[in-house]
Amino acid sequence: EAGVVQSPRYKIIEKKQPVAFWCNPISGHNTLYWYRQNLGQGPELLIRYENEEAVDDSQLPKDRFSAERLKGVDSTLKIQPAELGDSAVYLCASSLRQTYNEQFFGPGTRLTVL
Amino acid sequence: AQSVTQLDSQVPVFEEAPVELRCNYSSSVSVYLFWYVQYPNQGLQLLLKYLSGSTLVESINGFEAEFNKSQTSFHLRKPSVHISDTAEYFCAVSDPYGQNFVFGPGTRLSVLP
Repeated sequence: EAGVVQSPRYKIIEKKQPVAFWCNPISGHNTLYWYRQNLGQGPELLIRYENEEAVDDSQLPKDRFSAERLKGVDSTLKIQPAELGDSAVYLCASSLRQTYNEQFFGPGTRLTVL
Repeated sequence: AQSVTQLDSQVPVFEEAPVELRCNYSSSVSVYLFWYVQYPNQGLQLLLKYLSGSTLVESINGFEAEFNKSQTSFHLRKPSVHISDTAEYFCAVSDPYGQNFVFGPGTRLSVLP
């Protein structure tokens, strides 16, 4: 069974440029999460989707971050414009709705903003 | 709101020695507790979890953790570590609905030959 797929694995951009990350969850997983992991810290939730609905986006900086999951399967997280402080690893995870507590993580996208 | 503290940012230990990685949490409601492991250049993997029942939970690779409600702790232990256990270990807590998922800052375990 394929795991959570994320692309790209690495991205280097200059500040003020836009960037997008893509995630394909495990087949059949209704719930999708985006996390940001700063260096030396644990992941912090940015947004959680139930199918195509964003049910928790309270930690998403909405002035520059946006996300979508149009068909309730794969998802895109966008930053526009990027700032130096956005350098981090962006993790995607998925779970079955009835087992929120078992999240499966992708390998992450390491973003470097210069 | 939940929070998680992992007091040790780094733990070096020799191969075949025992290890304990500490985790304390705070919450105003009952909690679910988790340990995740992150090997170099890989995603996080669930190591073990406490949802209810026995307070001692075990993983398939020899780790165990004990939920102590009075101490609000969920320390991770292994009686004899291997080089391959070198990784970052994250303690996490959620509410009983699996929401409000909060990770600790992580502990880097380095197993030395």
